[in-house]
Amino acid sequence: AQSVTQLGSHVSVSEGALVLLRCNYSSSVPPYLFWYVQYPNQGLQLLLKYTSAATLVKGINGFEAEFKKSETSFHLTKPSAHMSDAAEYFCAVTVTGNQFYFGTGTSLTVIP
Amino acid sequence: GAVVSQHPSRVICKSGTSVKIECRSLDFQATTMFWYRQFPKQSLMLMATSNEGSKATYEQGVEKDKFLINHASLTLSTLTVTSAHPEDSSFYICSARDSGGYFGANVLTFGAGSRLTVL
Repeated sequence: AQSVTQLGSHVSVSEGALVLLRCNYSSSVPPYLFWYVQYPNQGLQLLLKYTSAATLVKGINGFEAEFKKSETSFHLTKPSAHMSDAAEYFCAVTVTGNQFYFGTGTSLTVIP
Repeated sequence: GAVVSQHPSRVICKSGTSVKIECRSLDFQATTMFWYRQFPKQSLMLMATSNEGSKATYEQGVEKDKFLINHASLTLSTLTVTSAHPEDSSFYICSARDSGGYFGANVLTFGAGSRLTVL
């Protein structure tokens, strides 16, 4: 079975600072990996996805993530945080597309 | 891009009544849809996998008779909370996978969620 672990349930950064949200995965076969963002009282919106093409994946809103097989990681980064980035972020993994496994989420706070 | 519409976004009902939530894929066909429940400040809990034309597959601990799922077409799945009680109050989210693969066969598109409050 697959799983993802998000380190840090809460992350605070200053506006303009680097955003780094951590995700480590576990999978015995090549996985598909995703980052989703959730704003209050809304569904999840896809930020970016890794599907075995380029290891550095660029997503919406200036976010990107790098797939590192040796570290089994898929950390999400953004060079400069904006107030509008404050939200809940979820990492997810699937192999077959029939089952998706979500992390416990990281709440990002941006301090003005 | 792929769009999933979920209605209603908010519903308040009295204890003992039933509530239906609809999940529609607007621009793609979805043989599989997923229903999640989310408690405040927590991650998504998968309730069931909805399969078009067949019975839903429920996760362990989810009451089939309380949470009725119907997936009658390739673009519509419904979740009916029967005889709702205050403990059923929650945020319910559906998601769908593009069966045709145009938007990516292994990508989930989520609805906006439905906030259920049972008085």
